[in-house]
Amino acid sequence: AQSVTQLGSHVSVSEGALVLLRCNYSSSVPPYLFWYVQYPNQGLQLLLKYTTGATLVKGINGFEAEFKKSETSFHLTKPSAHMSDAAEYFCAVRVNDSWGKLQFGAGTQVVVTP
Amino acid sequence: DVKVTQSSRYLVKRTGEKVFLECVQDMDHENMFWYRQDPGLGLRLIYFSYDVKMKEKGDIPEGYSVSREKKERFSLILESASTNQTSMYLCASSLSFFRGRSSYNEQFFGPGTRLTVL
Repeated sequence: AQSVTQLGSHVSVSEGALVLLRCNYSSSVPPYLFWYVQYPNQGLQLLLKYTTGATLVKGINGFEAEFKKSETSFHLTKPSAHMSDAAEYFCAVRVNDSWGKLQFGAGTQVVVTP
Repeated sequence: DVKVTQSSRYLVKRTGEKVFLECVQDMDHENMFWYRQDPGLGLRLIYFSYDVKMKEKGDIPEGYSVSREKKERFSLILESASTNQTSMYLCASSLSFFRGRSSYNEQFFGPGTRLTVL
């Protein structure tokens, strides 16, 4: 079975500081991994994804994530936080089936302080 | 621009009412999903559909049913709404494995419906 653990339900960062959101996964098959962002009162939007190939993945809005198989991790980073990064972030892993299902983590709420 | 739309952003219903939540996608996707989102629990899959008239239970199907009569439309039905179904409901769609191969897991989400049951 596949599962995702996001460490920290709430993270507070100062504007301009590094954003680091942690995600660990378990998967019985080579993982496909995703980060989604949810801005207030909106649906989820894909930030980036890892399927195969390069382990450092760049996404939208300056975010990137690195797949580390040995650590079963897919942490999300952004060098310099902006006020507009305040949102909830979800890590997800593909479920091993033919239907395209995803298993989501519980989410991390990011607050950006001036 | 690809789009998943949901019929209502906010909905208030009374206990015992039958509730319909509608979702429409314009991307010709085979797969459609209904999730509920609750604080601290992330997204939990209620039902999904991989083709017209086809449906499968997700992780929390109790108290819900679904209907997919057309490829672009997927409806979630609360037969008799209860207060513990107060939640945010999100619809998503994706390509089938046979069409999308490496991208079939990428799901596109609607804006959500915040349902309150009184």
